Amino acid sequence: GAVVSQHPSWVICKSGTSVKIECRSLDFQATTMFWYRQFPKQSLMLMATSNEGSKATYEQGVEKDKFLINHASLTLSTLTVTSAHPEDSSFYICSARDRGLAGDVWGRYNEQFFGPGTRLTVL
Amino acid sequence: AQSVAQPEDQVNVAEGNPLTVKCTYSVSGNPYLFWYVQYPNRGLQFLLKYITGDNLVKGSYGFEAEFNKSQTSFHLKKPSALVSDSALYFCAVRDMVGGDSNYQLIWGAGTKLIIKP
Repeated sequence: GAVVSQHPSWVICKSGTSVKIECRSLDFQATTMFWYRQFPKQSLMLMATSNEGSKATYEQGVEKDKFLINHASLTLSTLTVTSAHPEDSSFYICSARDRGLAGDVWGRYNEQFFGPGTRLTVL
Repeated sequence: AQSVAQPEDQVNVAEGNPLTVKCTYSVSGNPYLFWYVQYPNRGLQFLLKYITGDNLVKGSYGFEAEFNKSQTSFHLKKPSALVSDSALYFCAVRDMVGGDSNYQLIWGAGTKLIIKP
């Protein structure tokens, strides 16, 4: 259980094009999903928190018009990198938090389940 | 401010020896602590968590971690390392500001664990 998928797993695109990355929770409902960016040999950088049915909350320094996030259902969030440039090349990882039961301290509620990541290369 | 520190960029251990990956934290209130592992070009996998209760937490793949409140540490350990344990390990603490409905994880910088045959 608690499987999160990402599609595509890798993508190569030309500069100036837009790329959409999907994040799906396969066997649970996720009210909240997170989008991270990871540079080589570095830790995860939280880009934004995505809540189902509402606007995403972006971290300081992350351009919301460039990184469009849509969380249309309890099992799907998408990240669209608009007008991609080579500096956007990175490993993008999503995670999802099990909707579960609030206060379920011992259960899955406090865990984030991670997707396998998407390697984006912009030429 | 809440923070997590992993003081070692890399840890080298011979196969069969015990391993320790260090993590210290700074939070207000009681911490919720996590360890995740990342294999090359892969997403993160949950190893274990501490929320309350026994200070020694057992997790996946034979790993365990010891919560030490006085030292504000949550070191990851394994009695006998395997070559397949070689990966990047992240310690994280839950941001307590957001409450149960909207919290974030604060991440350490990661420690590369290399197990040599």
